[in-house]
Amino acid sequence: AQSVTQLGSHVSVSEGALVLLRCNYSSSVPPYLFWYVQYPNQGLQLLLKYTTGATLVKGINGFEAEFKKSETSFHLTKPSAHMSDAAEYFCAVSFTGGGNKLTFGTGTQLKVEL
Amino acid sequence: DADVTQTPRNRITKTGKRIMLECSQTKGHDRMYWYRQDPGLGLRLIYYSFDVKDINKGEISDGYSVSRQAQAKFSLSLESAIPNQTALYFCATKGSGSQETQYFGPGTRLLVL
Repeated sequence: AQSVTQLGSHVSVSEGALVLLRCNYSSSVPPYLFWYVQYPNQGLQLLLKYTTGATLVKGINGFEAEFKKSETSFHLTKPSAHMSDAAEYFCAVSFTGGGNKLTFGTGTQLKVEL
Repeated sequence: DADVTQTPRNRITKTGKRIMLECSQTKGHDRMYWYRQDPGLGLRLIYYSFDVKDINKGEISDGYSVSRQAQAKFSLSLESAIPNQTALYFCATKGSGSQETQYFGPGTRLLVL
């Protein structure tokens, strides 16, 4: 069975500071990994995904994530936070077969302060 | 126009009532999914469908049923709503390739009194 753990249900950073949102997964087969963002009163939007190939993945809005198999991690980073980054972020895992069902973490609420 | 639409966007109902949530997509995807979101729990899969004749239970299907009326339409029903089904419900669609992305609708906020 696969699972996702997001450390920190709430993260607060200052505008211009580094954003680091943590995600660890467990999967018995090679995973596909995703980060989604949810702005208030909206649906989920894909930020980035890792399937195969390069382990450093760049997404929209300046975010990136690195797949580290040895650490079973897929942490999301952004060098400089902007007020518009305030949202809830979800890490998710799936794998080939099994209907490609997504298993989500419990989410991290990012707050950006002046 | 949005690729994945959900109706209604907001609904208040009473315990014991039957309610249907609808999802339509224009992406031409075969696969469709229903999730519910609860604070602190993330999203959990209720049902998913690979095509009109292929319906599968997710991790929390009890108390729910679904209907895939056409490739583009996937409805979720609560036969007899109860208060702990109060949640935000999302529909998602995906192409058949294993590496393809799931695209989410805007959500339906349901309150069961």
